[in-house]
Amino acid sequence: GQSLEQPSEVTAVEGAIVQINCTYQTSGFYGLSWYQQHDGGAPTFLSYNALDGLEETGRFSSFLSRSDSYGYLLLQELQMKDSASYFCAVRATNAGKSTFGDGTTLTVKP
Amino acid sequence: EAQVTQNPRYLITVTGKKLTVTCSQNMNHEYMSWYRQDPGLGLRQIYYSMNVEVTDKGDVPEGYKVSRKEKRNFPLILESPSPNQTSLYFCASSPRQNNSPLHFGNGTRLTVT
Repeated sequence: GQSLEQPSEVTAVEGAIVQINCTYQTSGFYGLSWYQQHDGGAPTFLSYNALDGLEETGRFSSFLSRSDSYGYLLLQELQMKDSASYFCAVRATNAGKSTFGDGTTLTVKP
Repeated sequence: EAQVTQNPRYLITVTGKKLTVTCSQNMNHEYMSWYRQDPGLGLRQIYYSMNVEVTDKGDVPEGYKVSRKEKRNFPLILESPSPNQTSLYFCASSPRQNNSPLHFGNGTRLTVT
């Protein structure tokens, strides 16, 4: 099976940098993805790491270390609109089953 | 516009009354999937389909059925809904089985009384 663990809540101030960690136990997956969800709306794709290392997309970066079973999402220059829930996710390579972490609620304060 | 469309957005029903939530995508995606989201539990996969006539169970399939007769449609069927199926449901699709990004519908909030 697959399981992913994330912190349930993170709080930061506008303009700061925040890191959301994701540790996983899985027996084979394509890569680690990150999604953002505002207040029960549709989750939207943010970033994906197929290989170890850092991927950068504007203010957002994501990192994966398969040897450590660990990844993180880094959000820079935080804005109020970044207040949302963030989910890490994997898709198994031996089937189409996908697994999400329980999500991290980020609150950005002025 | 490329999108995943779910209907209805909100549904209140009673225990045991069969219902179907429709999902349609216009991006010619092979992979489609259903999730339920409950407070504090994130997104849990119900069923997925890797192509037409190919479906398989996710982590929480009990009480649900799906079908994939056409590439664009992937309806979720609750034959006999129960109150524990009250939840927020999302349909998603992606081009292929691999980890290509999932495109989500806007969700269906289901209440079973």
